[in-house]
Amino acid sequence: DGGITQSPKYLFRKEGQNVTLSCEQNLNHDAMYWYRQDPGQGLRLIYYSQIVNDFQKGDIAEGYSVSREKKESFPLTVTSAQKNPTAFYLCASSIAGINEQYFGPGTRLTVT
Amino acid sequence: AQSVTQLDSQVPVFEEAPVELRCNYSSSVSVYLFWYVQYPNQGLQLLLKYLSGSTLVKGINGFEAEFNKSQTSFHLRKPSVHISDTAEYFCAVGSSNTGKLIFGQGTTLQVKP
Repeated sequence: DGGITQSPKYLFRKEGQNVTLSCEQNLNHDAMYWYRQDPGQGLRLIYYSQIVNDFQKGDIAEGYSVSREKKESFPLTVTSAQKNPTAFYLCASSIAGINEQYFGPGTRLTVT
Repeated sequence: AQSVTQLDSQVPVFEEAPVELRCNYSSSVSVYLFWYVQYPNQGLQLLLKYLSGSTLVKGINGFEAEFNKSQTSFHLRKPSVHISDTAEYFCAVGSSNTGKLIFGQGTTLQVKP
């Protein structure tokens, strides 16, 4: 079964801790994306990667970091510098240059 | 720069009634347009897409949308809704040169019995 997996589904952290969200895809897609979703604000792009070992900042990259060492994996680290990390995080992938994106089930991060 | 505006944040409707969710976009280049659906605490699922060709696009679950270039709109319609259509719906625009999508703020469709 091809698709995108995100783990865990729910994540709780204390303020000041870094946390890494996992995203894996077996669709053989070149491009991967991380979005943040807050109520009433739609989806905002954090980082994206069109190819292995390369990634670009999206609209709200401050306080986040990513890596793309393998085609199928694109982990997102929420650092302690992110002022409001509590949100629903969605990972997506697509064929490079094609806008149709496939989404994972999301990770809900709560920081207290 | 591209942008997307979903004109209604919430749309309440009775079961079996028709519904239209409105989406307007702005772009200086050729666009690709998408509608996604999101059920609570889940990811987004593609409903339909417009890439080129016929301006009337049919998608899953009985939804359809019409691309109107002159009005820069891509409204989503369904002739008869079900309780199970209750969800959040997102309109998105992309362009060929970036591969990125810009999303609207979402419309919550509430289907009442």
